[in-house]
Amino acid sequence: KAGVTQTPRYLIKTRGQQVTLSCSPISGHRSVSWYQQTPGQGLQFLFEYFSETQRNKGNFPGRFSGRQFSNSRSEMNVSTLELGDSALYLCASSLAWRDSSYEQYFGPGTRLTVT
Amino acid sequence: GNSVTQMEGPVTLSEEAFLTINCTYTATGYPSLFWYVQYPGEGLQLLLKATKADDKGSNKGFEATYRKETTSFHLEKGSVQVSDSAVYFCALRLIQGAQKLVFGQGTRLTINP
Repeated sequence: KAGVTQTPRYLIKTRGQQVTLSCSPISGHRSVSWYQQTPGQGLQFLFEYFSETQRNKGNFPGRFSGRQFSNSRSEMNVSTLELGDSALYLCASSLAWRDSSYEQYFGPGTRLTVT
Repeated sequence: GNSVTQMEGPVTLSEEAFLTINCTYTATGYPSLFWYVQYPGEGLQLLLKATKADDKGSNKGFEATYRKETTSFHLEKGSVQVSDSAVYFCALRLIQGAQKLVFGQGTRLTINP
């Protein structure tokens, strides 16, 4: 079974631009979560989707948004990029939500650099 | 709130040494506990987990025991290898609630031959 895939793997953008990152969960997984990883703040939760609905949101500004499609694939969008948005963005999928017995499986991440 | 505190790194050991990485947590509810490992240039891999007090998670020679009385989940391995060099993250997730993981700051481990 294929793992979680994220595209693109690397991205360079300029301040003020917007970016869209994509995540394809493991087949059969319906929950997708996004995390931001930076050297200074570590791993921080962005949001979680299940059945095309956002179920939980972290403490990030409204410039960060996401969505989930009927096939469980998810995208996250960051508008008006700032230098501080440079990070590794990780996607994780799980069979379901609201049940901690279901493990989260992480993708390799998208490395975003904002210049 | 919910938080995880790990021992500060980096940690450098010789091959075959004993490893301990300390992890303590604060949680408003009853959490499941996890150790994830991140190799250079890769995402996170689940190393082991424990879902209730006194449970011991184990995998690839690593072990951690869920200690509710000390709110701890320390990672141990009896004999480390060069291939264990990576960053290790302790994390919690509340049993009732969303899939959100709360991570510690990570501990970078380097094993020298």
